[in-house]
Amino acid sequence: KAGVTQTPRYLIKTRGQQVTLSCSPISGHRSVSWYQQTPGQGLQFLFEYFSETQRNKGNFPGRFSGRQFSNSRSEMNVSTLELGDSALYLCASSLDPGRPYEQYFGPGTRLTVT
Amino acid sequence: GENVGLHLPTLSVQEGDNSIINCAYSNSASDYFIWYKQESGKGPQFIIDIRSNMDKRQGQRVTVLLNKTVKHLSLQIAATQPGDSAVYFCAEKKAGGKLIFGQGTELSVKP
Repeated sequence: KAGVTQTPRYLIKTRGQQVTLSCSPISGHRSVSWYQQTPGQGLQFLFEYFSETQRNKGNFPGRFSGRQFSNSRSEMNVSTLELGDSALYLCASSLDPGRPYEQYFGPGTRLTVT
Repeated sequence: GENVGLHLPTLSVQEGDNSIINCAYSNSASDYFIWYKQESGKGPQFIIDIRSNMDKRQGQRVTVLLNKTVKHLSLQIAATQPGDSAVYFCAEKKAGGKLIFGQGTELSVKP
């Protein structure tokens, strides 16, 4: 069974640009969560999607948005990039939102903003 | 604000010794507490979880202890191996499903 895949793995953008990251969950998993990981702030929850609906949202500005498609694949978008957005963005999938302890993480997308 | 923190940022142990990684949490309204392991270049990997109504849970070479009185969570790894070297995160699942992670402890195992 293939794991969670994230594309691209690495990305370099400049300030003011926007970026879209993609996540394909494990087959059969319908819940997808996104996290931002930085050395200073650690792992911070961005949002969670289930059946194409956003169920939870973390404390991030509106520049961070996401969506989920009918096949459970998810994308997150960051507009007007800032230097502080440089981070590892992790996607995790689970069968349903009530079982986060069964979340499986992807390898992440390393975003560098210059 | 919401915070789940770790007592020790780094821990170095000898191969074969037992390791104990600690975590303090501030929010009592949590359903689950979870430990994750993150190796370099990889995403976090689930190790073990414990419900908030339990005190102890054992897995393969790992034990999680939950002390709700002092809001303390610990992960014990028996007979630590070089493959256990990684960053370990505790996390709590709040009502509604949101996971709050601690800052992480780096475990280094000396051969």
